[in-house]
Amino acid sequence: GQNIDQPTEMTATEGAIVQINCTYQTSGFNGLFWYQQHAGEAPTFLSYNVLDGLEEKGRFSSFLSRSKGYSYLLLKELQMKDSASYLCAVTNSNYQLIWGAGTKLIIKP
Amino acid sequence: DTAVSQTPKYLVTQMGNDKSIKCEQNLGHDTMYWYKQDSKKFLKIMFSYNNKELIINETVPNRFSPKSPDKAHLNLHINSLELGDSAVYFCASSQGEVNTGELFFGEGSRLTVL
Repeated sequence: GQNIDQPTEMTATEGAIVQINCTYQTSGFNGLFWYQQHAGEAPTFLSYNVLDGLEEKGRFSSFLSRSKGYSYLLLKELQMKDSASYLCAVTNSNYQLIWGAGTKLIIKP
Repeated sequence: DTAVSQTPKYLVTQMGNDKSIKCEQNLGHDTMYWYKQDSKKFLKIMFSYNNKELIINETVPNRFSPKSPDKAHLNLHINSLELGDSAVYFCASSQGEVNTGELFFGEGSRLTVL
């Protein structure tokens, strides 16, 4: 089967750094996405990785290792507004998008 | 201007009724989608529609039927609503072929079946 694993919930402190991991087992690979979803709102795109390495975009960075089937989303200088769910999704060789269940990130003052 | 808009935002109805949710995108995208997000927050693809082809998730009951009058619109019609249909339904769009680009989601339509 195909699946995406990410922690259900994480807690971090305002101003700190947090890393949200995602591991995947899919039939082939054509890219990995991270989305942010605030409670009661729609998911919004954060990042896309198709090659190994780190993609940086402001306070957020996303890393990919295709050989390990592994990605992480790194959030720096955490703000209260970063409290949300973070969804990892992988496009397989058939261009199906496989979604993780999401990681709920709680930021404490 | 709203990029992907769907109506209604909230829908409360009785079991057995038929209802529709409308979706429009003004991004000029080629592909549109319907997703279901249940109480456990898992996003499940229901339909993908590229202006050439409708791709159906076979696990979706045939009570659900998508209708696309043009590439900017993808509506969802649901017949004989059941309690388990209660969820948030998200419309989304992307450029290019199915699942080759980032998804732009509508605000969601929260359906409650009583």
